[in-house]
Amino acid sequence: GNSVTQMEGPVTLSEEAFLTINCTYTATGYPSLFWYVQYPGEGLQLLLKATKADDKGSNKGFEATYRKETTSFHLEKGSVQVSDSAVYFCALDPIQGAQKLVFGQGTRLTINP
Amino acid sequence: GAGVSQSPSNKVTEKGKDVELRCDPISGHTALYWYRQSLGQGLEFLIYFQGNSAPDKSGLPSDRFSAERTGGSVSTLTIQRTQQEDSAVYLCASSLWGQIEAFFGQGTRLTVV
Repeated sequence: GNSVTQMEGPVTLSEEAFLTINCTYTATGYPSLFWYVQYPGEGLQLLLKATKADDKGSNKGFEATYRKETTSFHLEKGSVQVSDSAVYFCALDPIQGAQKLVFGQGTRLTINP
Repeated sequence: GAGVSQSPSNKVTEKGKDVELRCDPISGHTALYWYRQSLGQGLEFLIYFQGNSAPDKSGLPSDRFSAERTGGSVSTLTIQRTQQEDSAVYLCASSLWGQIEAFFGQGTRLTVV
């Protein structure tokens, strides 16, 4: 079946630190991969996406590369800010465009000034 | 509207009562999805509607759960004879069919007491 495993939280970092949140997946076929973010008191928002192997999604200084050989889609940012504090969800869409998203458990990130 | 709108934002109900949760998708979006976000289960797909096609109900956890979409727009998720394990945040999302990004509402927090 389809599943997503992401790094357990919570994760606490200092401002300007380097961030990695690991995400690995299991899927049949060729899924699309996503990172969604949920800021305090807000709804889920798409952060970045990749639809095929070796694609790199990027947004707001965050990046993730679709690695088919390692079935991974790790989220990285070179220098985090306090405003990045949120819950991050890795997800896959097993049928591109169908949006029957399969989510990881979420990782709560707190950035201290 | 500008985004996906869900109502009510919070609902407290007594065990055994029926509840209805409403979702207004982004105007023109043909696809609509319901997800549930709970502490024990993370984010789970429940049901999706695409145009006039039969809905995909494969994620509904029991026959107490049902959903309808009237006129290809507004959707109502109904939970009959609520149980404490139904307590969760119910999220609605919409998209254009085939579009990679789904837009989420802020959710309805349901508490069954």
